[in-house]
Amino acid sequence: AQSVTQLDSQVPVFEEAPVELRCNYSSSVSVYLFWYVQYPNQGLQLLLKYLSGSTLVESINGFEAEFNKSQTSFHLRKPSVHISDTAEYFCAVIYNAGNMLTFGGGTRLMVKP
Amino acid sequence: EAEVAQSPRYKITEKSQAVAFWCDPISGHATLYWYRQILGQGPELLVQFQDESVVDDSQLPKDRFSAERLKGVDSTLKIQPAELGDSAMYLCASSLATQGTGELFFGEGSRLTVL
Repeated sequence: AQSVTQLDSQVPVFEEAPVELRCNYSSSVSVYLFWYVQYPNQGLQLLLKYLSGSTLVESINGFEAEFNKSQTSFHLRKPSVHISDTAEYFCAVIYNAGNMLTFGGGTRLMVKP
Repeated sequence: EAEVAQSPRYKITEKSQAVAFWCDPISGHATLYWYRQILGQGPELLVQFQDESVVDDSQLPKDRFSAERLKGVDSTLKIQPAELGDSAMYLCASSLATQGTGELFFGEGSRLTVL
Protein backbone atom coordinates (compact mmCIF):
# COMPACT_ATOMS: atom_id res chain seq x y z
CA ALA A 1 0.00 0.00 0.00
CA GLN A 2 1.18 3.50 -0.77
CA SER A 3 2.19 5.42 2.30
CA VAL A 4 3.73 8.63 3.57
CA THR A 5 6.34 8.52 6.31
CA GLN A 6 7.33 11.35 8.61
CA LEU A 7 10.11 9.88 10.69
CA ASP A 8 10.18 12.56 13.37
CA SER A 9 7.08 12.85 15.53
CA GLN A 10 8.52 15.85 17.40
CA VAL A 11 11.23 18.35 16.52
CA PRO A 12 12.31 20.79 19.24
CA VAL A 13 14.39 23.72 18.04
CA PHE A 14 15.50 27.10 19.34
CA GLU A 15 14.20 30.29 17.79
CA GLU A 16 16.23 31.53 14.78
CA ALA A 17 17.78 28.09 14.25
CA PRO A 18 17.30 26.21 10.97
CA VAL A 19 14.96 23.25 10.80
CA GLU A 20 14.23 20.34 8.47
CA LEU A 21 11.11 18.19 8.71
CA ARG A 22 11.49 14.96 6.83
CA CYS A 23 8.96 13.30 4.56
CA ASN A 24 9.31 10.17 2.44
CA TYR A 25 6.69 8.59 0.23
CA SER A 26 6.17 5.32 -1.61
CA SER A 27 7.67 5.25 -5.07
CA SER A 28 5.08 5.79 -7.78
CA VAL A 29 4.68 6.74 -11.43
CA SER A 30 3.49 10.21 -10.54
CA VAL A 31 2.96 12.11 -7.32
CA TYR A 32 1.62 15.45 -6.22
CA LEU A 33 3.17 16.53 -2.93
CA PHE A 34 1.85 18.81 -0.21
CA TRP A 35 2.75 20.18 3.20
CA TYR A 36 -0.10 21.21 5.49
CA VAL A 37 0.26 23.03 8.81
CA GLN A 38 -2.06 22.83 11.80
CA TYR A 39 -1.68 25.57 14.39
CA PRO A 40 -3.07 24.90 17.89
CA ASN A 41 -6.88 24.73 17.93
CA GLN A 42 -7.11 25.43 14.20
CA GLY A 43 -7.82 23.42 11.05
CA LEU A 44 -5.18 22.29 8.57
CA GLN A 45 -3.89 24.89 6.11
CA LEU A 46 -1.96 24.30 2.92
CA LEU A 47 1.62 25.50 3.32
CA LEU A 48 3.04 24.61 -0.09
CA LYS A 49 2.68 22.10 -2.90
CA TYR A 50 4.57 20.49 -5.74
CA LEU A 51 2.61 19.51 -8.83
CA SER A 52 5.19 19.83 -11.62
CA GLY A 53 8.02 22.05 -12.82
CA SER A 54 10.70 23.34 -10.48
CA THR A 55 11.49 20.81 -7.79
CA LEU A 56 11.98 23.56 -5.21
CA VAL A 57 8.79 25.17 -3.95
CA GLU A 58 8.41 27.96 -1.44
CA SER A 59 5.75 29.28 0.92
CA ILE A 60 5.01 32.91 1.71
CA ASN A 61 6.35 32.57 5.27
CA GLY A 62 9.85 31.36 4.46
CA PHE A 63 9.42 27.58 4.29
CA GLU A 64 10.63 25.63 1.29
CA ALA A 65 10.50 22.00 0.20
CA GLU A 66 12.35 20.11 -2.49
CA PHE A 67 10.97 17.22 -4.49
CA ASN A 68 13.67 14.56 -4.76
CA LYS A 69 12.46 11.77 -7.02
CA SER A 70 15.47 9.51 -6.56
CA GLN A 71 15.18 9.70 -2.78
CA THR A 72 11.34 9.72 -2.84
CA SER A 73 11.48 12.63 -0.42
CA PHE A 74 9.85 16.01 0.03
CA HIS A 75 11.58 17.48 3.09
CA LEU A 76 10.43 20.82 4.49
CA ARG A 77 13.05 23.37 5.53
CA LYS A 78 13.28 26.83 7.00
CA PRO A 79 16.61 28.63 7.57
CA SER A 80 15.43 30.51 10.68
CA VAL A 81 12.32 29.61 12.65
CA HIS A 82 10.10 31.84 14.78
CA ILE A 83 8.07 31.07 17.87
CA SER A 84 4.97 31.48 15.71
CA ASP A 85 6.05 28.48 13.59
CA THR A 86 5.17 26.17 16.47
CA ALA A 87 2.58 23.82 14.99
CA GLU A 88 2.00 20.33 13.63
CA TYR A 89 3.16 19.79 10.08
CA PHE A 90 1.72 17.11 7.82
CA CYS A 91 3.18 15.84 4.58
CA ALA A 92 0.60 14.56 2.11
CA VAL A 93 0.70 12.87 -1.29
CA ILE A 94 -1.68 12.25 -4.15
CA TYR A 95 -0.59 9.20 -6.13
CA ASN A 96 -1.04 8.79 -9.87
CA ALA A 97 -3.27 11.86 -10.31
CA GLY A 98 -5.99 10.27 -8.24
CA ASN A 99 -8.35 12.06 -5.91
CA MET A 100 -7.22 10.77 -2.54
CA LEU A 101 -4.83 12.73 -0.32
CA THR A 102 -2.70 10.39 1.83
CA PHE A 103 -1.24 12.00 4.93
CA GLY A 104 1.84 11.21 6.95
CA GLY A 105 1.62 10.92 10.71
CA GLY A 106 2.67 14.49 11.34
CA THR A 107 5.64 16.23 12.95
CA ARG A 108 5.18 18.55 15.89
CA LEU A 109 7.57 21.50 15.57
CA MET A 110 8.25 23.10 18.93
CA VAL A 111 10.16 26.38 18.73
CA LYS A 112 11.72 27.45 22.01
CA PRO A 113 12.89 30.97 22.93
CA GLU B 1 -12.73 35.11 4.51
CA ALA B 2 -14.70 32.01 3.51
CA GLU B 3 -14.35 29.07 5.87
CA VAL B 4 -15.49 25.50 6.25
CA ALA B 5 -17.89 25.38 9.19
CA GLN B 6 -18.18 22.34 11.43
CA SER B 7 -20.29 21.57 14.47
CA PRO B 8 -20.16 20.62 17.21
CA ARG B 9 -16.54 21.44 18.06
CA TYR B 10 -16.58 18.95 20.91
CA LYS B 11 -18.79 15.96 21.61
CA ILE B 12 -18.65 13.54 24.53
CA THR B 13 -20.84 10.49 24.32
CA GLU B 14 -21.16 7.04 25.80
CA LYS B 15 -20.52 3.95 23.75
CA SER B 16 -23.52 2.56 21.89
CA GLN B 17 -25.02 6.05 21.55
CA ALA B 18 -25.56 7.80 18.22
CA VAL B 19 -23.61 10.90 17.26
CA ALA B 20 -23.74 13.23 14.28
CA PHE B 21 -21.42 15.87 12.87
CA TRP B 22 -22.31 18.63 10.46
CA CYS B 23 -20.20 20.39 7.86
CA ASP B 24 -20.88 23.41 5.66
CA PRO B 25 -18.21 23.76 2.96
CA ILE B 26 -17.02 26.94 1.31
CA SER B 27 -19.68 28.24 -1.06
CA GLY B 28 -19.15 26.92 -4.57
CA HIS B 29 -16.91 24.03 -3.57
CA ALA B 30 -18.33 20.94 -5.24
CA THR B 31 -16.03 18.44 -3.53
CA LEU B 32 -16.41 17.65 0.17
CA TYR B 33 -14.31 15.30 2.27
CA TRP B 34 -14.65 13.77 5.72
CA TYR B 35 -11.39 12.74 7.41
CA ARG B 36 -10.76 11.06 10.75
CA GLN B 37 -7.65 12.02 12.72
CA ILE B 38 -6.75 9.78 15.63
CA LEU B 39 -4.52 11.45 18.22
CA GLY B 40 -0.89 11.30 17.13
CA GLN B 41 -1.69 10.22 13.58
CA GLY B 42 -2.35 11.90 10.28
CA PRO B 43 -5.85 12.36 8.87
CA GLU B 44 -7.41 9.40 7.06
CA LEU B 45 -10.07 9.82 4.41
CA LEU B 46 -13.46 8.41 5.32
CA VAL B 47 -15.61 9.64 2.43
CA GLN B 48 -15.45 12.01 -0.52
CA PHE B 49 -18.44 13.65 -2.23
CA GLN B 50 -18.67 15.31 -5.61
CA ASP B 51 -21.82 17.40 -5.34
CA GLU B 52 -24.33 14.97 -3.82
CA SER B 53 -22.66 11.80 -5.07
CA VAL B 54 -20.19 9.64 -3.18
CA VAL B 55 -16.87 9.41 -5.05
CA ASP B 56 -14.96 7.29 -2.53
CA ASP B 57 -16.19 5.67 0.68
CA SER B 58 -13.88 2.67 0.65
CA GLN B 59 -12.48 3.50 4.11
CA LEU B 60 -15.83 4.27 5.73
CA PRO B 61 -16.89 1.57 8.26
CA LYS B 62 -20.33 1.20 6.78
CA ASP B 63 -21.71 -1.00 9.52
CA ARG B 64 -21.79 1.99 11.86
CA PHE B 65 -20.87 5.10 9.86
CA SER B 66 -23.00 6.90 7.32
CA ALA B 67 -22.55 10.14 5.44
CA GLU B 68 -24.86 12.16 3.27
CA ARG B 69 -24.85 15.36 1.26
CA LEU B 70 -28.41 15.44 0.06
CA LYS B 71 -28.48 18.79 -1.72
CA GLY B 72 -24.83 18.86 -2.65
CA VAL B 73 -24.03 21.59 -0.15
CA ASP B 74 -23.75 20.76 3.55
CA SER B 75 -23.07 17.28 4.83
CA THR B 76 -23.71 15.10 7.87
CA LEU B 77 -21.55 12.28 9.19
CA LYS B 78 -23.28 9.89 11.58
CA ILE B 79 -21.96 7.16 13.84
CA GLN B 80 -24.36 4.63 15.34
CA PRO B 81 -23.54 2.99 17.65
CA ALA B 82 -20.39 4.78 18.77
CA GLU B 83 -17.50 2.64 20.02
CA LEU B 84 -14.53 3.53 22.20
CA GLY B 85 -12.21 3.35 19.20
CA ASP B 86 -14.16 6.08 17.44
CA SER B 87 -12.65 8.72 19.71
CA ALA B 88 -10.88 11.06 17.30
CA MET B 89 -11.03 14.41 15.53
CA TYR B 90 -13.41 14.41 12.57
CA LEU B 91 -12.30 16.87 9.93
CA CYS B 92 -14.31 18.21 7.04
CA ALA B 93 -12.64 19.72 3.99
CA SER B 94 -13.80 21.12 0.69
CA SER B 95 -12.19 21.96 -2.64
CA LEU B 96 -13.02 23.27 -6.08
CA ALA B 97 -11.27 20.48 -7.96
CA THR B 98 -11.85 16.75 -7.90
CA GLN B 99 -8.54 15.64 -9.34
CA GLY B 100 -5.46 16.05 -7.29
CA THR B 101 -4.31 19.55 -7.98
CA GLY B 102 -6.76 21.51 -5.94
CA GLU B 103 -6.13 22.86 -2.49
CA LEU B 104 -8.24 21.40 0.31
CA PHE B 105 -9.71 23.83 2.84
CA PHE B 106 -10.25 22.28 6.25
CA GLY B 107 -12.64 23.14 9.02
CA GLU B 108 -11.52 23.27 12.65
CA GLY B 109 -12.81 19.78 13.26
CA SER B 110 -15.17 18.04 15.66
CA ARG B 111 -13.47 16.25 18.52
CA LEU B 112 -15.31 13.13 19.64
CA THR B 113 -14.71 11.40 22.95
CA VAL B 114 -16.48 8.09 23.51
CA LEU B 115 -16.67 6.94 27.14
